[in-house]
Amino acid sequence: QVQLQESGPGLVRSSQTLSLTCSVSGGSIISRSHYWSWIRQPAGKGLEWVGRLYASGSTTYKSSLNSRVTILMDASKNQFSLRLTSVTAADTAVYYCARDGNVGRYAFDTWGQGTLVTVSS
Amino acid sequence: SYVLTQPPSVSVAPGQTARITCGGNNIGSKSVHWYQQKPGQAPVLVIYYDGDRPAGIPERFSGSNSGNTATLTIGRVEAGDEADYYCQVLEGSSDQVVFGGGTKLTVL
Repeated sequence: QVQLQESGPGLVRSSQTLSLTCSVSGGSIISRSHYWSWIRQPAGKGLEWVGRLYASGSTTYKSSLNSRVTILMDASKNQFSLRLTSVTAADTAVYYCARDGNVGRYAFDTWGQGTLVTVSS
Repeated sequence: SYVLTQPPSVSVAPGQTARITCGGNNIGSKSVHWYQQKPGQAPVLVIYYDGDRPAGIPERFSGSNSGNTATLTIGRVEAGDEADYYCQVLEGSSDQVVFGGGTKLTVL
């Protein structure tokens, strides 16, 4: 059974770059049946999709974040990462990595436990 | 951009049926997925492709989608169903994943 685990700094200074890693266990990140996303959730608010990575390495990002976000694959480590530049307090959230494609496209059936990132001034 | 509208809250007595709606322009033409999220936990997929259930999700959970409204129905509601529920679709024209604002289900 595939498991996901987020890791990275819990505190990032405003205007700096947020970097997180999602480690995938129990399955291969280069499986052509599966896709990998980052989804975030500010405290007390709803879910917001950030972007998605395909086995080919290609990506799709939320339009409003497109200029600041990069998602990359490290197949050798079975990991994928999130990089968000020029962060502000509005980027403070719990960040989840998630998988889709197992039961259906864009149906996120596997999630990490989430990691809280706080942007400080 | 595509907007999904959910009621902020729904309340239901134990044993009754809860219906949570998700409104969107011609949402019936899209595939809708539903998630349950309990406090401090990651979301769990409970319905995909409008009405299919992942393994391990009770048959009490069902979904429908037509016109401008998708609905998650939870039959014989239990205290353990109390959670936030989110609908989600893909806006195909721009390849964007969109979530509804979430509905807090309270079991009275």
